Amino acid sequence: QITLEESGPTLVKPTQTLTLTCTFSGFSLRTDGMGVAWIRQPPGEALEWVALIFWNEDKRYIASLRNRLTITKDTSKNQVVLTMTNVDPVDTATYYCAQMRPSRSGVILFDHWGQGILVTVSS
Amino acid sequence: EIMMTQSPATLSVSPGERVTLSCRASQSVSSNLAWYQQKHGQAPRLLIYGASTRATGIPARFSGSGSGTEFTLTINSLQSEDFAVYYCQQYKNWPPVTFGPGTKVDIK
Repeated sequence: QITLEESGPTLVKPTQTLTLTCTFSGFSLRTDGMGVAWIRQPPGEALEWVALIFWNEDKRYIASLRNRLTITKDTSKNQVVLTMTNVDPVDTATYYCAQMRPSRSGVILFDHWGQGILVTVSS
Repeated sequence: EIMMTQSPATLSVSPGERVTLSCRASQSVSSNLAWYQQKHGQAPRLLIYGASTRATGIPARFSGSGSGTEFTLTINSLQSEDFAVYYCQQYKNWPPVTFGPGTKVDIK
């Protein structure tokens, strides 16, 4: 059974750094083709893909946030960490981590999702 | 960046009806198109990928069609548990992976 769980602060102040952790089980980021993504959703709005890390350390970011984001993995702990610097109220959203279906052909599908964590940016 | 649009924004239907949702891509994505269902307060769930292949465990009343820039998700005989928001997602050209704005299916 595959599970993912997001953890981190639910309230951060503007200009602070946000660190979110995705702890997963049931799969390994050592598996060829595997990846884990972060996807966010502002209240009442649509889904927005944010970042993705692959089994081979390849990392991709949404261009609009690239200079504020870092995604890393700790394979031994089955964790993926997303760091976002200089947060703003517009970053208020539910942040989901999701397992990407293993693929070496560029197919990006999100098979399993965490329950999400609502992060509010406010002073 | 490939932009995705969906129509209508909201659809009010009665249980048992057939529902057709549309998704359009700003340029061809071939069949690299997925549909997700998101119920209130829950994470999204993958329904369809490759434009027309149902994901594991998805009931046969859900079907997808289309290719290129025009896609459709059809739900036959809508059940009470199908009231949700539906998002399309392209994975032809990335990054970024892009989602549509969603179509909300609610009770008439």
